[in-house]
Amino acid sequence: QSVVTQPPSVSGAPGQTVTISCTGTNSNIGAGYDVQWYQQLPGTAPKPLIYGNNNRPSGVPDRFSGSKSGTSASLAITGLQAEDEADYYCQSYDNSLSAVVFGGGTKLTVL
Amino acid sequence: EVQLVESGGGLVQPGGSLRLSCAASGFIFSTYAMTWVRQAPGKGLEWVAAISNVPGSMYYADSVKGRFTISRDNSMNTLYLQMSSLRAEDTALYYCVKHPLYCTTTPCYDWWGQGTLVTVSS
Repeated sequence: QSVVTQPPSVSGAPGQTVTISCTGTNSNIGAGYDVQWYQQLPGTAPKPLIYGNNNRPSGVPDRFSGSKSGTSASLAITGLQAEDEADYYCQSYDNSLSAVVFGGGTKLTVL
Repeated sequence: EVQLVESGGGLVQPGGSLRLSCAASGFIFSTYAMTWVRQAPGKGLEWVAAISNVPGSMYYADSVKGRFTISRDNSMNTLYLQMSSLRAEDTALYYCVKHPLYCTTTPCYDWWGQGTLVTVSS
């Protein structure tokens, strides 16, 4: 059971917009720690999508965006494409655990 | 290009030991902190351990503290994870992960290896 919670699954049709939430507590996201997002395509290693709450590494399309407010963060994917079908993980730091924490992951299905 | 190649995984009996290695190339290894993250079959990501760029600061998840040791050899561009007293719940794909320099307040990761599978079973 992760201290940072994500919905197990989300879905959307091609071209639509989906958002994935990442809910933490006052010992992690709410304490001011940044949130990162990673995309894991089937059978591959995770790949960074967003760092520092809302920054994209070079090469990541601007269809992906991140935001953070209070004890939560969100990843938005606009113009959904079939190739976006993957697992998505948020990540932060928890000062009561003194540990990096990952959300449980969200499986995105493109209908 | 950055490359992280893990090795050393395999089948080990409960209570046994294993040492994982990660050969790094394509960047100045001694400049960057490194981390091990694991993923049990069909499950999510779990942070395991981290080490600063110059060995001196190591950090561990409670689930592995006292059993696993992270280390690095900057002259060999290699990261290690010594695992002992292995349990069935340590069965996972172990990823070697690089930190970038731009995440200064919260750890983040910019390059991941392909992982090495550790199976703990009798």
